[in-house]
Amino acid sequence: EDQVTQSPEALRLQEGESSSLNCSYTVSGLRGLFWYRQDPGKGPEFLFTLYSAGEEKEKERLKATLTKKESFLHITAPKPEDSATYLCAVRSIGGGSEKLVFGKGTKLTVNP
Amino acid sequence: EAGVAQSPRYKIIEKRQSVAFWCNPISGHATLYWYQQILGQGPKLLIQFQNNGVVDDSQLPKDRFSAERLKGVDSTLKIQPAKLEDSAVYLCASSFGGANVLTFGAGSRLTVL
Repeated sequence: EDQVTQSPEALRLQEGESSSLNCSYTVSGLRGLFWYRQDPGKGPEFLFTLYSAGEEKEKERLKATLTKKESFLHITAPKPEDSATYLCAVRSIGGGSEKLVFGKGTKLTVNP
Repeated sequence: EAGVAQSPRYKIIEKRQSVAFWCNPISGHATLYWYQQILGQGPKLLIQFQNNGVVDDSQLPKDRFSAERLKGVDSTLKIQPAKLEDSAVYLCASSFGGANVLTFGAGSRLTVL
C-alpha cells in the first residue's frame, strides 16, 4: 500500500531561520510527487510537482527536491506569511485509476 | 478563472441526521474528487469522478455516504445517517485530466453532535 510520511509534525522557526521539511514515501512506481500549502480554513493550494530523482523546483523562498525515497521542502529565510501546513502527496495508481495519496502534513509557524 | 465552489461552508447536525454538500468544479475540468480531512490529518480520497462516471470509490463508506455528478459538472455528497466520526472538512477538488494538479475548494466543515 502506498504511504506518505511527513516530518516533523510541527515546526516553529524565527523569521529568517532557514529549515527543511521532509516527506518520505513508499509507492509502487512514482508518477509524481506534489507539495501543497494549506492555510487555516482553506483548501490546499498547489505549490510544486516533481517527477524524477534529482529534480528541483523553486518558488520564492521555497525549494523542493526529490530523491528515490524522499522529498524535501527547503524554506530559506522564512517570513511570518509562510506560516501554514505543508502537505506532500504522491500520485498512486490502483484499480485502474490514478489518485493522490496525502501525508498528514507539517504545520509551520514562523514567528516575527 | 473562477475556483472550485463549495457549499455550505459550515454545517452542524445531530448524529443520525442527514447532510448534503455541493460542489461546482472549474469549468472544463473533467475529473472531480471528494476528500475527507479529519482535524490534524491529511486529506483522504472518498470518491473520484471522470465526467459523470465513478472511477474510484473504494474508500467511500457506502452504507452511509453517497455521491453523484449529474451531467458531468457539479456534484453532491450526501451522508445519511451521520455518525460522530464523520466530523471533518469535506474538500472538493477538480483537475483537467487524471490525478495531475488538483485545484481544491475551501471545503465544507461538518460537526456531528
